[in-house]
Amino acid sequence: QQPVQSPQAVILREGEDAVINCSSSKALYSVHWYRQKHGEAPVFLMILLKGGEQKGHDKISASFNEKKQQSSLYLTASQLSYSGTYFCGTENKYSGGGADGLTFGKGTHLIIQP
Amino acid sequence: NAGVTQTPKFQVLKTGQSMTLQCAQDMNHNSMYWYRQDPGMGLRLIYYSASEGTTDKGEVPNGYNVSRLNKREFSLRLESAAPSQTSVYFCAVLAGAYYEQYFGPGTRLTVT
Repeated sequence: QQPVQSPQAVILREGEDAVINCSSSKALYSVHWYRQKHGEAPVFLMILLKGGEQKGHDKISASFNEKKQQSSLYLTASQLSYSGTYFCGTENKYSGGGADGLTFGKGTHLIIQP
Repeated sequence: NAGVTQTPKFQVLKTGQSMTLQCAQDMNHNSMYWYRQDPGMGLRLIYYSASEGTTDKGEVPNGYNVSRLNKREFSLRLESAAPSQTSVYFCAVLAGAYYEQYFGPGTRLTVT
C-alpha cells in the first residue's frame, strides 16, 4: 500500500518555506526522499532510518516519527532550483535500507516562483 | 562513468507485440530494480534482483518477465504488450553509503 503524501501540490515564492508530509499505514524501517524534475529521473535526497537518524541536504532536512509512521521534508528558504516533484519511498519490512525495493508515494508537486 | 544506462529511450509498440527493455550498470552493485511511473501514481516496483541469478516480484509484476543476465545487466520483457503498459520505465541500482537508489534515464513506452 502506497504511503500518502500531502499536500499534492504547493506553489511558493522564492525564499518561502515548505513542508511535505509522508504517512504510512504500516510500520516503517526507513523513509527515502527523492526529487524529480520534469522529464528526468528521480534523484536521491536523503534517507531516514528507524531509530531517529536524520540526514540533511543543504537547506532541505527531514524528520521521521516512527510511532506515528510519518516523515516530513522541510525546505527552508526555497530556491528556484527546488522546483520539481518530491517522492517519499518507504521500507515496510527490514531489508537493509530498502534492498527489497521501495514503496513510493504519489508525489508532491512543488513550484517555486521568483 | 555512465552509472545506469537504459535502452531504448523511446518505443512505440502495437498491442500484442513483444519487446525487451535493457538496463546496465557500471557501479558494481548487487541490487537492481525495475519501476514504472504513470501520471499521478508515483513509482511502482515491478521486479527486483538482489544479486545475479535471483529475481523477485514487486508490487505490479503481471505482464512482465525479467532476467538478471549477470551483475551488470537486468532486462525487463513484455511478452504481449497491452495499452495499460504505456508508461515510463525506470531501472535503478542500490548503491552508495546511504542506500540510495540511482535511477537510469528511463524508457518511455507507448502501446497503441
